[in-house]
Amino acid sequence: ELKVEQNPLFLSMQEGKNYTIYCNYSTTSDRLYWYRQDPGKSLESLFVLLSNGAVKQEGRLMASLDTKARLSTLHITAAVHDLSATYFCAVVKLLGRNNAGNMLTFGGGTRLMVKP
Amino acid sequence: SQTIHQWPATLVQPVGSPLSLECTVEGTSNPNLYWYRQAAGRGLQLLFYSVGIGQISSEVPQNLSASRPQDRQFILSSKKLLLSDSGFYLCAWSVFPSRWNTEAFFGQGTRLTVV
Repeated sequence: ELKVEQNPLFLSMQEGKNYTIYCNYSTTSDRLYWYRQDPGKSLESLFVLLSNGAVKQEGRLMASLDTKARLSTLHITAAVHDLSATYFCAVVKLLGRNNAGNMLTFGGGTRLMVKP
Repeated sequence: SQTIHQWPATLVQPVGSPLSLECTVEGTSNPNLYWYRQAAGRGLQLLFYSVGIGQISSEVPQNLSASRPQDRQFILSSKKLLLSDSGFYLCAWSVFPSRWNTEAFFGQGTRLTVV
């Protein structure tokens, strides 16, 4: 059974600081996704990491993937209040007979609060 | 471009009443379709997925059901709601049949409160 664990579950940090969110998963997968969710809103896709060693950056967020360690990180640089949200990582889970479908198994989320 | 519509946005229903949430996708054919539920402050739980018309698989036993009457339409239903059915319901789609195109795109969600 594929399990995806994020830590920390809750993160309060001050503006201008750096921090890293970790995502571990239990079985082999070559694709990992990061989503952002604002309170009361749906999920917005941030990054798609497709191979071992992949690194992607968008503004103050940088995501990386180590498939051998089954670990992805989301690094926040010089945090600003606008980054306050819940961040989810998700890993592929193949579904059904003969792998007829596919789905993302989500971690529990990291709620980030950036204080001025 | 592809878009996903989900409605209603919010819903307050009494215990024991029926439920019908609808999701439609535009701009793609043969999508994988999914219903997720998110309890307050929690992660996402996959409820149902569908790889084609009339093909529904359930991940978690519950008093909910799903149907896919058309290629790009996915409906979540219940005959009698329970208090524990309250939550934020999200419809999502991904590309089919490519097994590796797995990024899921989400609708805006339905916040259901059972009272």
